[in-house]
Amino acid sequence: AQKITQTQPGMFVQEKEAVTLDCTYDTSDPSYGLFWYKQPSSGEMIFLIYQGSYDQQNATEGRYSLNFQKARKSANLVISASQLGDSAMYFCAMRDLSGYSTLTFGKGTMLLVSP
Amino acid sequence: DAGVTQSPTHLIKTRGQQVTLRCSPKSGHDTVSWYQQALGQGPQFIFQYYEEEERQRGNFPDRFSGHQFPNYSSELNVNALLLGDSALYLCASSFTDPATNEKLFFGSGTQLSVL
Repeated sequence: AQKITQTQPGMFVQEKEAVTLDCTYDTSDPSYGLFWYKQPSSGEMIFLIYQGSYDQQNATEGRYSLNFQKARKSANLVISASQLGDSAMYFCAMRDLSGYSTLTFGKGTMLLVSP
Repeated sequence: DAGVTQSPTHLIKTRGQQVTLRCSPKSGHDTVSWYQQALGQGPQFIFQYYEEEERQRGNFPDRFSGHQFPNYSSELNVNALLLGDSALYLCASSFTDPATNEKLFFGSGTQLSVL
């Protein structure tokens, strides 16, 4: 079974600073994918970034980067130059790439960006 | 290009009643998944539909059932509602291609309250 752990219930950061949201995972599958989603108060889950288990380089998408440490089973999200609009819930998720596109989510981290 | 649309946005029911939630996938997508997100938790996978068949199911009782139509839209039905069924129900669509990092696109969800 797959498991995602997000140990930070909430994080505070000042505008324009960088912030790291932690995610550790557990799986026995050799091939898997790791995702980060943002959920604003509207409820929609917005895809941010993806990292495959066999990808050699850390994924980056604009201000988002994923610090992937396979041996430690961690996939931390780094947001550079935080903006007020980044305030939201952030979820780490994973899926088994040999199966169907079903995701296992963590409990999430609430990020608040202050001026 | 319309994304994933869900209806209704909010719903209030009483215990024992039945409810139907609807989802239209993103244009070009053929797979629909449903997730339940309780307050303060990450989404949990309910089931996935592909080619009008339930392809995979999470750990949810038979009270939860679904359907996919030829146009790929989907319904989630919950019978004999319990207070614990109160949650945000998210629909996600994707294009089935197991070889890729199949990205899920989520709707804004239906907030179900059971009184």
